[in-house]
Amino acid sequence: AQTVTQSQPEMSVQEAETVTLSCTYDTSESDYYLFWYKQPPSRQMILVIRQEAYKQQNATENRFSVNFQKAAKSFSLKISDSQLGDAAMYFCAYEIPNFNKFYFGSGTKLNVKP
Amino acid sequence: GAVVSQHPSRVICKSGTSVKIECRSLDFQATTMFWYRQFPKQSLMLMATSNEGSKATYEQGVEKDKFLINHASLTLSTLTVTSAHPEDSSFYICSAHDRGSYNSPLHFGNGTRLTVT
Repeated sequence: AQTVTQSQPEMSVQEAETVTLSCTYDTSESDYYLFWYKQPPSRQMILVIRQEAYKQQNATENRFSVNFQKAAKSFSLKISDSQLGDAAMYFCAYEIPNFNKFYFGSGTKLNVKP
Repeated sequence: GAVVSQHPSRVICKSGTSVKIECRSLDFQATTMFWYRQFPKQSLMLMATSNEGSKATYEQGVEKDKFLINHASLTLSTLTVTSAHPEDSSFYICSAHDRGSYNSPLHFGNGTRLTVT
């Protein structure tokens, strides 16, 4: 069975500092995608970053980067220079492309302190 | 970029009535759409996969007669909560891939907050 685990229900970071959110997953597939989605209080799901499993290079989007460890099935998100607008729920997600299956972790609430 | 429009954003209904939620892909065709349910402070739980022109695929534990899904066109899927009860109160979100775009991520609607009184 495919599962996504986020072990940190809530985290806090000082504005301008760096924070890392953890995610592990379990799968027997070799081809899959991993995502981090942000859900602010508006409840809108916003794609933060995506990683294809076949790519060894870690994805980066401006202040957001991932540490993808395929053998360890780990996919952490690093947010640099944290901003107040980064405060939200963050969900790690996993997708099997050809099976239309998309799984979410339980989420991590990120607080950003001014 | 691809946009998924969900309507209504908020609905309050009385127990025993039915509520229809619409999910539209505005600038792309979606042969498949996904319906999620999210309880407060919890993750998104996949309820069903809506397939254009065929029956929806429901996840284990989701009552198909309770949550009716229709995907009559390539841009519209609807979820009808029939004979709603207070325990059906939740946040419902739809999503879809833009299959016409290579490696399209999942695009989400803004969600519908359903309150059953």
